[in-house]
Amino acid sequence: ELKVEQNPLFLSMQEGKNYTIYCNYSTTSDRLYWYRQDPGKSLESLFVLLSNGAVKQEGRLMASLDTKARLSTLHITAAVHDLSATYFCAVNTGTASKLTFGTGTRLQVTL
Amino acid sequence: DTEVTQTPKHLVMGMTNKKSLKCEQHMGHRAMYWYKQKAKKPPELMFVYSYEKLSINESVPSRFSPECPNSSLLNLHLHALQPEDSALYLCASSPITLGETQYFGPGTRLLVL
Repeated sequence: ELKVEQNPLFLSMQEGKNYTIYCNYSTTSDRLYWYRQDPGKSLESLFVLLSNGAVKQEGRLMASLDTKARLSTLHITAAVHDLSATYFCAVNTGTASKLTFGTGTRLQVTL
Repeated sequence: DTEVTQTPKHLVMGMTNKKSLKCEQHMGHRAMYWYKQKAKKPPELMFVYSYEKLSINESVPSRFSPECPNSSLLNLHLHALQPEDSALYLCASSPITLGETQYFGPGTRLLVL
């Protein structure tokens, strides 16, 4: 059974600081996704990582994938309050479009 | 248009009621999904439809009955639900090509009394 774990589960950080969220998964996959969810809202797609060594950047967020280590990271640079949300990674394995989501990281950026 | 719409936004139902959740997309996606999300938990896949045919059922109880009438619409029929079924129900769609991202609707927040 595929397990997807994120750490930390909760992150409180000050504006302007840098931090990294980690996503580990238990079986081979080269398809990993990052989503953002604001409280009471739906999920917004952030990044799609489809190969070993893939790196994607959008604004203050950068995601990378190491399929050999079964690890993806989401790096936050110079955090701002607007980045406060819950971030999920999700892994796609097998032939069907089945996503297994990580445990989620609730990010709180304080002034 | 990258929008997935869901109705209703909120639903309160008793354990003997029958209700339906609706989902619609006009992006030409041929894969559609239902997820259930409890508070402070990740979404859990319930069903996947590919080309309007049910391709994955994650051992969901029969009181949840999905239906895909055409390539743009996805329904979830609810009957004799339990209070523990209260959750946010999310619909998503994606191109059928492997590796494509899934686009999520705003969800229906369901409360079962």
